[in-house]
Amino acid sequence: EVQLVESGGGLVQPGGSLRLSCVVSGFTFSSYSMNWVRQAPGKGLEWLSYIMRSTSTTYYADSVKGRFTISRDIAKNSLYLQMNSLRAEDTAVYYCARISPEIGYYYMDVWGKGTTVTVSS
Amino acid sequence: EIVMTQSPATLSVSPGERVTLSCRASQSVSNKLAWYQQRRGQAPRFLIYDASTRATGIPARFSGSGSGTEFTLTISSLQSEDFAVYYCQQYNNWPPITFGQGTRLEIK
Repeated sequence: EVQLVESGGGLVQPGGSLRLSCVVSGFTFSSYSMNWVRQAPGKGLEWLSYIMRSTSTTYYADSVKGRFTISRDIAKNSLYLQMNSLRAEDTAVYYCARISPEIGYYYMDVWGKGTTVTVSS
Repeated sequence: EIVMTQSPATLSVSPGERVTLSCRASQSVSNKLAWYQQRRGQAPRFLIYDASTRATGIPARFSGSGSGTEFTLTISSLQSEDFAVYYCQQYNNWPPITFGQGTRLEIK
């Protein structure tokens, strides 16, 4: 069974840091590009970051560029999101999502259940 | 950045009814559009890609259409489990990947 399991969320003060993890199973992690997507309370989905399967090329939304870093450890079947300089507006549920393996098809076919990040003093 | 606009924001419908949700792109995305369903308290679920191709395991009552800037998601006969929020997402021109703001289907 294909699974994505996020962890690492919690309560953090403004200006603080947090590292989210997403452990994957049931598929060959190295063959897939991955995304992080978040959802603020009562709001819609916001794409945050992408990491390419082969080259580890990364992209970021403007809202997190320079503060968040996406990375992966193939040996550990894990995707990460290092979040620094956190702000109240970063409060959200954070999802990792697998991207279709077909070239040029950047839809997300499998999602984790999410981990909640709350930024508050 | 391509802006995706969904309408209406909320739709009140009865079980068994047919419903059509709309998604508009600020510029052409060809057919590179996906739809997701999000039930309350759950993660998004992938429904449709390339505007009209159902994902594996998605019931035939879900259908998508459109190209360019105008897209629709139709549910032919609403079941109780279909009351949820639906998001469209373009993947033709990115980064950034962009989603619509969602349409909530609620029980009338």
